[in-house]
Amino acid sequence: KAGVTQTPRYLIKTRGQQVTLSCSPISGHRSVSWYQQTPGQGLQFLFEYFSETQRNKGNFPGRFSGRQFSNSRSEMNVSTLELGDSALYLCASSLVGGAETQYFGPGTRLLVL
Amino acid sequence: KQEVTQIPAALSVPEGENLVLNCSFTDSAIYNLQWFRQDPGKGLTSLLLIQSSQREQTSGRLNASLDKSSGRSTLYIAASQPGDSATYLCAVLGNQGGKLIFGQGTELSVKP
Repeated sequence: KAGVTQTPRYLIKTRGQQVTLSCSPISGHRSVSWYQQTPGQGLQFLFEYFSETQRNKGNFPGRFSGRQFSNSRSEMNVSTLELGDSALYLCASSLVGGAETQYFGPGTRLLVL
Repeated sequence: KQEVTQIPAALSVPEGENLVLNCSFTDSAIYNLQWFRQDPGKGLTSLLLIQSSQREQTSGRLNASLDKSSGRSTLYIAASQPGDSATYLCAVLGNQGGKLIFGQGTELSVKP
């Protein structure tokens, strides 16, 4: 089975712009979660989607949003980018988002100038 | 609020040594604990998952234990190799589900 894929792998944006990141889960997985990783804060949970519904949300401002499509693919959007949004954005998929293994993609590295 | 701590933050050992990485968490109400490996600039690779009802899991040279009552987990790596060099992260899945809480990681360097 193919693993979790994320596109694009690298992005450079300027402050004030918006960005959309994409995640394709492992085939058959219906839960997709997003995490932000920075050197200072480590890995922090952004949100989780299951069957096109946001089921959990982390403590991030409303500039961060996401959605999930009927094929379980997910996108996250960050509007009005700030320098502090520079990070590695990781998505993870699992079968139903319960107590099973979460599988992570390679991440999208976002640099905001 | 769940907090996860990993000690030490960095560790350097010669090849062949057995080593232990530590992870502690403040709230014992967890569904499971997962250990990951992360190579520089890459995503996370799942190593072991221990359900809350289990005490340990093994995979090859890796053994992870879980003591929920004391809020601790250890990852034991036997006969370390240079290829084991990476950052090791532990994460707990709380009762609210879906959301992994991560430690800051232990950066391991195994010298040939």
